[in-house]
Amino acid sequence: DQQVKQNSPSLSVQEGRISILNCDYTNSMFDYFLWYKKYPAEGPTFLISISSIKDKNEDGRFTVFLNKSAKHLSLHIVPSQPGDSAVYFCAASGQAGTALIFGKGTTLSVSS
Amino acid sequence: DAGITQSPRYKITETGRQVTLMCHQTWSHSYMFWYRQDLGHGLRLIYYSAAADITDKGEVPDGYVVSRSKTENFPLTLESATRSQTSVYFCASGVSSGNTIYFGEGSWLTVV
Repeated sequence: DQQVKQNSPSLSVQEGRISILNCDYTNSMFDYFLWYKKYPAEGPTFLISISSIKDKNEDGRFTVFLNKSAKHLSLHIVPSQPGDSAVYFCAASGQAGTALIFGKGTTLSVSS
Repeated sequence: DAGITQSPRYKITETGRQVTLMCHQTWSHSYMFWYRQDLGHGLRLIYYSAAADITDKGEVPDGYVVSRSKTENFPLTLESATRSQTSVYFCASGVSSGNTIYFGEGSWLTVV
């Protein structure tokens, strides 16, 4: 059973508009959440994270929102750029000593 | 600064052969991980290690063996490769298990 779900396999957005990528989780013990970005033929790279004690974390064009009651987080990219086209993975962690659990990923395509 | 490196980057092997994928990190991170990426499945954890001589199974450990005699190395061995093990394999490392981890560039393995 998937503990981290990214229900949209793909998302297409125009350059300059907002991209919103969503992630749901089922395990209420998760207390730290991360987003990774992956280009083809490269390894995933860390993008942004958020602790469960916060509901928002911002880094430049990237903002992650956490809604603990809904067990939902989202990544907002504003404004979107063609270079943002990649696969985005949501990940979560909980119990100390356990590894990150990843979602299946969402492929973002930003057109110019 | 190499960070984390994987070898080989590309490998074609035959069913039943033993294959070892190497992973080396220069950060002295305690934790190291092996994930595989497959279409429709995202990133799935195979094995991870908290320190030298300490390893734990992940979500999909069957058919794989790991060892960690030195902090910087974490080889993954497929004892008798099967076609279902055709995948992209990513090694990662981090200071802790549930925080930011850093990925290598991946090893593309094809089993024919």
